[in-house]
Amino acid sequence: GEDVEQSLFLSVREGDSSVINCTYTDSSSTYLYWYKQEPGAGLQLLTYIFSNMDMKQDQRLTVLLNKKDKHLSLRIADTQTGDSAIYFCAESSMDSSYKLIFGSGTRLLVRP
Amino acid sequence: DARVTQTPRDKVTEMGQEVTMRCQPILGHNTVFWYRQTMMQGLELLAYFRNRAPLDDSGMPKDRFSAEMPDATLATLKIQPSEPRDSAVYFCASGLVAGAEKFFGPGTRLTVL
Repeated sequence: GEDVEQSLFLSVREGDSSVINCTYTDSSSTYLYWYKQEPGAGLQLLTYIFSNMDMKQDQRLTVLLNKKDKHLSLRIADTQTGDSAIYFCAESSMDSSYKLIFGSGTRLLVRP
Repeated sequence: DARVTQTPRDKVTEMGQEVTMRCQPILGHNTVFWYRQTMMQGLELLAYFRNRAPLDDSGMPKDRFSAEMPDATLATLKIQPSEPRDSAVYFCASGLVAGAEKFFGPGTRLTVL
C-alpha cells in the first residue's frame, strides 16, 4: 500500500532555514501536501504541489518535489519561534480516491 | 471565513457509553473524511464520504464504530460502546472530490475512562 515517511525531529536556530524531508511510495500520487499542527490544534494546510511540478514557492515556504526519487521537501526561510510545530507530509492520488495518506510528522523546534 | 467545525471539542466519558461526534463540512464541499490521531498510530483514516455516500470505511472498527452523513451539512461518527483504547483526537476534514485542498476541523478530544 501507499506509505509516507518523515524524520521525527528537527531543531534549528531562529533566523536559519529549516528543511523538512519526506519520501513516499505511491508513483501515481497526484497531490503532495504539507500540513502544520500546533499543540492542541487541528491540521492547517500550509501548501500543496501538483505532481507535475517540481517547485512551488509561497512567501517563506518553498516546496521541492523530486518525482523520480519520490522525495518531497519543505524549506522554511528565516525560521521563527512561531514555526515550532509538527509538520505532516501527505499525498493523495486518483487511484486511492484522493484520500490523504499522512506521514508520521516531523517535530520542528526553533531555538531562540 | 469558511471552516470545518466539530462538536464537541472535548468529551470525557466512561467505558461502555455511547459517543457521538459531529462535523459540519465547509459549504459546497462534497467529500468528508474522519481521521483519528494518537501518539502511537499517528493519523489514521477511519472513513471517507463522497456526495454523502461512504466510499471507504476500511479503517474503522465496524463492531463499535459507525459513520453517517444525514445531509450535506452534517457528518457524524458514533462509537458504541466506547472503550479506553478509543481515547484519541478525532478530526474531520472536507474538500472537493478531485480538488487539492482538504481542510481540517479543530478536532474532538475523546477520553474514555
